[in-house]
Amino acid sequence: GIQVEQSPPDLILQEGANSTLRCNFSDSVNNLQWFHQNPWGQLINLFYIPSGTKQNGRLSATTVATERYSLLYISSSQTTDSGVYFCAGRENSGGSNYKLTFGKGTLLTVNP
Amino acid sequence: DSGVTQTPKHLITATGQRVTLRCSPRSGDLSVYWYQQSLDQGLQFLIQYYNGEERAKGNILERFSAQQFPDLHSELNLSSLELGDSALYFCASSPTPPTEAFFGQGTRLTVV
Repeated sequence: GIQVEQSPPDLILQEGANSTLRCNFSDSVNNLQWFHQNPWGQLINLFYIPSGTKQNGRLSATTVATERYSLLYISSSQTTDSGVYFCAGRENSGGSNYKLTFGKGTLLTVNP
Repeated sequence: DSGVTQTPKHLITATGQRVTLRCSPRSGDLSVYWYQQSLDQGLQFLIQYYNGEERAKGNILERFSAQQFPDLHSELNLSSLELGDSALYFCASSPTPPTEAFFGQGTRLTVV
């Protein structure tokens, strides 16, 4: 199966700072997604981004499928952005196995 | 709100017991996935059902089983519970063909 590496594993920011989270895949993937897991454990969908760039408020994401990586940008961070950020993708192997493989996440702490 | 409903939110039970976790997918989604999130293993895929049939299996223990009913809701049965089964269990659903997956709020299982 594919391997998903996320970096950095931990990130501490002051409120208002910008950050970039990275996700590398060992093989080509489909259905790439970014999630935010809040302190209550909920997995919140941030982006469905198989390729290209999307923006949603202070967050944006870029996936370069041919180079097997995706980036999540957080600008003007707020304390409510704290939590774990996961990327996940589905193997591009055809068939009916649609499972998502997750990275280990980036733990983001935004201090006031 | 992702549209995926999981019950119960919390469950505390003793070793050796059996529990059932329930999931209702988003309206119209035929695929249901179960994931386990533990501190040491991260988010692991357990099993996928599509329109009532098992479609893919991950690292699911023999003590665990699942099914999807005609109304498309799914249940994950965990038996002979051990302390190490304590984890957050997520259900997700996706449309067909699969694009974005949406996750429920999770069931936090504590085995004492």
